[in-house]
Amino acid sequence: QVQLQESGPGLVKPSQTLSLTCSVSGDSISSGTSYWNWIRQPAGGDLEWIGRIYHNGRPNYNPSLNSRVTISTDTSKNEFSLKLNSVTAADTAIYYCARADTSPFWYFTLWGRGTLVTVSS
Amino acid sequence: SYELTQPLSVSVAQGQTARITCGGSYIQSKYVHWYQQKAGQAPVLVMYRDSKRPSGIPERFSGSNSGNTATLTISRAQGGDDGDEADYYCQVWDGNTGVFGGGTKLTVL
Repeated sequence: QVQLQESGPGLVKPSQTLSLTCSVSGDSISSGTSYWNWIRQPAGGDLEWIGRIYHNGRPNYNPSLNSRVTISTDTSKNEFSLKLNSVTAADTAIYYCARADTSPFWYFTLWGRGTLVTVSS
Repeated sequence: SYELTQPLSVSVAQGQTARITCGGSYIQSKYVHWYQQKAGQAPVLVMYRDSKRPSGIPERFSGSNSGNTATLTISRAQGGDDGDEADYYCQVWDGNTGVFGGGTKLTVL
């Protein structure tokens, strides 16, 4: 059974860097059959796609966040990570990691449970 | 940037048919995927490639995509804890950018 699990600090100070990790079990992020994604959702708000990374390590980012986002993989640990710098209160949200499958359609077949990150001093 | 427009809310009587729309410029040229999100839970894929149901999703769920509008149709809508009341989001890819609609809250009366 494939599972995704987000982890990281639940509280980040303004102007600092938000760092999260998604641990993948039951599948290999190096398989080349999936894109690995980060998606966020403010409390009571809508889903926002942040970015994705493929097995070859090439990422794509949401243009609205592009200058602040880095997504990377650690194949030895079978996990991928999100870094979002210069955070503000507007970055407070539930952050999900998700697997997207089946080129060229890339629909999100599997989601983590999400982790709440609050930006506050 | 590409935008998807959904109604904020849709209400349906139990047992009737609910239709949730997703509008976008010439959306028929894109593959539309739909996600159901119940309160306090992560989203779940309920429709992909416009009209294909993942395993485990009831046949009551169907989808279509034509012109500038994609539609998720839920027949014989169900209430209750395991029912269809939830937020529904459409999603497409605009090149290498993922785009979600604003979500529609479905209420089963």
